[in-house]
Amino acid sequence: DIQMTQSPASLSASLGETVTIECLASEDIYSNLAWYQQKPGKSPQLLIYYANSLNDGVPSRFSGSGSGTQYSLKINSLQSEDVSIYFCQQNYDSPWTFGGGTKLELK
Amino acid sequence: EVQLVESGGGLVQPGRSMKLSCAASGFTFNNYDMAWVCQAPKKGLEWVATISYDGSSTYYRDSVKGRFTISRDNAKSTLYLQMDSLRSEDTATYYCARRLRRVYDYWGQGVMVTVSS
Repeated sequence: DIQMTQSPASLSASLGETVTIECLASEDIYSNLAWYQQKPGKSPQLLIYYANSLNDGVPSRFSGSGSGTQYSLKINSLQSEDVSIYFCQQNYDSPWTFGGGTKLELK
Repeated sequence: EVQLVESGGGLVQPGRSMKLSCAASGFTFNNYDMAWVCQAPKKGLEWVATISYDGSSTYYRDSVKGRFTISRDNAKSTLYLQMDSLRSEDTATYYCARRLRRVYDYWGQGVMVTVSS
């Protein structure tokens, strides 16, 4: 199975700040990487697919990048509604695996 | 508006069975593969099973193979997960999700399954 390792596990940032979350795959996943946002008490929502394609309706302050085994999610100008847990997911090979999550809080 | 509404969760004893349902609306159900994804309490997400748009192909994670069965009724726009021989480690919130380009673009609100004596 492909292991997905996210860092950091938790992150505290101020409003307006830029934050970056990393995701490392145990092997090359050829940009088959998605990011999801899970707000408190809610189900996950797709933010980004194919490493850098923004899903419909997702604010442009979110962006994804990376290739090979290393990927990142960047949030510009942090807003209060961005407080969530963020998960990466590889969709290159079954079983489709997720990272352990990054909990983003406001400082 | 795409909606996925799960039902059928609750408390069940180890070794017993439970069937989850997911009613879909707001899109052409039989055009999409569907999946179940679970999340143990305070834990991360774990893919459980996928079914093709026409029900002809199914896929499972190793830990549920032979115990869980994913199925669908396209006439009723409903997805199912039959869970047999349940174990304590199956305790989780189960989400129904629509699959597009091998990612999950819509999720239900989730249904809690607790396996305990």
